[in-house]
Amino acid sequence: GENVEQHPSTLSVQEGDSAVIKCTYSDSASNYFPWYKQELGKRPQLIIDIRSNVGEKKDQRIAVTLNKTAKHFSLHITETQPEDSAVYFCAASIPGSNTGKLIFGQGTTLQVKP
Amino acid sequence: GAGVSQSPSNKVTEKGKDVELRCDPISGHTALYWYRQSLGQGLEFLIYFQGNSAPDKSGLPSDRFSAERTGGSVSTLTIQRTQQEDSAVYLCASSSSGATYNEQFFGPGTRLTVL
Repeated sequence: GENVEQHPSTLSVQEGDSAVIKCTYSDSASNYFPWYKQELGKRPQLIIDIRSNVGEKKDQRIAVTLNKTAKHFSLHITETQPEDSAVYFCAASIPGSNTGKLIFGQGTTLQVKP
Repeated sequence: GAGVSQSPSNKVTEKGKDVELRCDPISGHTALYWYRQSLGQGLEFLIYFQGNSAPDKSGLPSDRFSAERTGGSVSTLTIQRTQQEDSAVYLCASSSSGATYNEQFFGPGTRLTVL
């Protein structure tokens, strides 16, 4: 079945620096890759997603890139701010089901130091 | 508008007891998912409901876990004879339909502690 690996598990950056989180997936037929942000004690919220027919997508300070050949995708946050501190989860769709079922990575705890 | 709600927010129980966790999805959302989030881990898929179709139970870890969805809306996740390893945050999510690209909206979760 589909498996998603996420790295690093923790990431600490200085405010203003960039942060990159990487995920790899196992099933080349996966076609949807969302990223969720979970602030401490709060629910996960979708921040950006990408479909398999697109190589890159940007939304202000965040961007996601997808390399289908290598089966990996990455989240890029530029000009980090303290409010970016949270746990970030990547996910991949389970191919063939069209059920919206997702396999999540283990999460990355991002700390942005002021 | 109202988001996904879950109750209780916290549940402490003794090993061997049964527990019921409730999820109220966003009104009109036909797809509903349950996930388990253990400490320091990602979200583990448990079960999926789509409208009145038979649920996808492929993620349930044992036969002690079951879930139902009444009237295509509220869902209850039941864990029988709880074990300490069941301690986790149980998250519910809903989406407008079960299609691949539809955003899942999460509830606040129920933190279950089994003593």
